[in-house]
Amino acid sequence: ETGVTQTPRHLVMGMTNKKSLKCEQHLGHNAMYWYKQSAKKPLELMFVYSLEERVENNSVPSRFSPECPNSSHLFLHLHTLQPEDSALYLCASSQDRGTGYTFGSGTRLTVV
Amino acid sequence: GENVEQHPSTLSVQEGDSAVIKCTYSDSASNYFPWYKQELGKRPQLIIDIRSNVGEKKDQRIAVTLNKTAKHFSLHITETQPEDSAVYFCAASKAFGNEKLTFGTGTRLTIIP
Repeated sequence: ETGVTQTPRHLVMGMTNKKSLKCEQHLGHNAMYWYKQSAKKPLELMFVYSLEERVENNSVPSRFSPECPNSSHLFLHLHTLQPEDSALYLCASSQDRGTGYTFGSGTRLTVV
Repeated sequence: GENVEQHPSTLSVQEGDSAVIKCTYSDSASNYFPWYKQELGKRPQLIIDIRSNVGEKKDQRIAVTLNKTAKHFSLHITETQPEDSAVYFCAASKAFGNEKLTFGTGTRLTIIP
């Protein structure tokens, strides 16, 4: 295990559903990230949290709502998604924002 | 902000030959350049990194070179093997500057047996 754990590994949801992705890191890092990975955009940064504060939101639609209750946990709440939101969602953490990113294994999301 | 360009987007190499992937960056203050490897269905993993105070770093069959003047850096894989097939991402940042890593768009490397 890498020290960054993501659940679930696979998720299929309808467009009217509400679900949440979870990320947990056991590395003592103080920054966490959500990335979207699809065929069109290999590594698309969505959100950055530093010391539990959201410091970056890259024009992500409001149907994606992040939550960072503490420095070890990061959630991505999903509601009324579109089929084009189907992708691999990767969580990462680092000690400082510039170096040493450790990625989780990702959640493969399919919106039907 | 930083902009990282990566080429080529796809690369096929005969097993045993060398592979080179190139990246350019825009911010001359960037000083940390990692490379990540992502095998099919797996997470990206750091394979090698270089800081701006050195020009080259090697780790067995992989090496990274950095040209600060030209603002480009390259990944070199020698004696390629089938297990080298993956997507490779370069990235750049100002280490310890509290600014995030900026990733390139990835190179899909295929090793032909």
